[in-house]
Amino acid sequence: GQQVMQIPQYQHVQEGEDFTTYCNSSTTLSNIQWYKQRPGGHPVFLIQLVKSGEVKKQKRLTFQFGEAKKNSSLHITATQTTDVGTYFCAGGSNYQLIWGAGTKLIIKP
Amino acid sequence: DAGVIQSPRHEVTEMGQEVTLRCKPISGHDYLFWYRQTMMRGLELLIYFNNNVPIDDSGMPEDRFSAKMPNASFSTLKIQPSEPRDSAVYFCASSPIGPHEQYFGPGTRLTVT
Repeated sequence: GQQVMQIPQYQHVQEGEDFTTYCNSSTTLSNIQWYKQRPGGHPVFLIQLVKSGEVKKQKRLTFQFGEAKKNSSLHITATQTTDVGTYFCAGGSNYQLIWGAGTKLIIKP
Repeated sequence: DAGVIQSPRHEVTEMGQEVTLRCKPISGHDYLFWYRQTMMRGLELLIYFNNNVPIDDSGMPEDRFSAKMPNASFSTLKIQPSEPRDSAVYFCASSPIGPHEQYFGPGTRLTVT
């Protein structure tokens, strides 16, 4: 069946370092969405990408959708403690949403 | 504007008991989703509704689980009888435009002993 693989599962960074998470789909997607879940919280919608090769920015966050619409990335520049949480991608395909397993961002003390 | 409302926020019950989780979607959102989240299995879609009609229930684990949406502002997820392996956080989400841009409720943490 359709799958969206997300890596890495965890990433430990020092505050101020960059963070990147990647998603790869087994099939072409109609769109990709990104969500953030803080510890003990619920997923919160961040952004949706629809076009091939699309790049969108939200302050220190940069989202990319691959040319083939099968992969995506989220990059955070100069992480802050408020960035801690799990970042999920979710691929839209055939009117379904296929969720990645999430990447947990951990800030080293 | 109020977000998605779920109740109860926490539920502790004994194995074999019936559990009912409730959700009020954002007004005007035609799509409603029920998810289950555990450490082992991550975030799983159980079922979703469009205009109160169940569209995809392929994620419902077994016959012990049932979901209803009697009107546009209310949905329930029922587990009968409950088992310890049902312990999880159950989220309800709603969307105005299908399985996109979903707005999640705070979740119900269910513990079955």
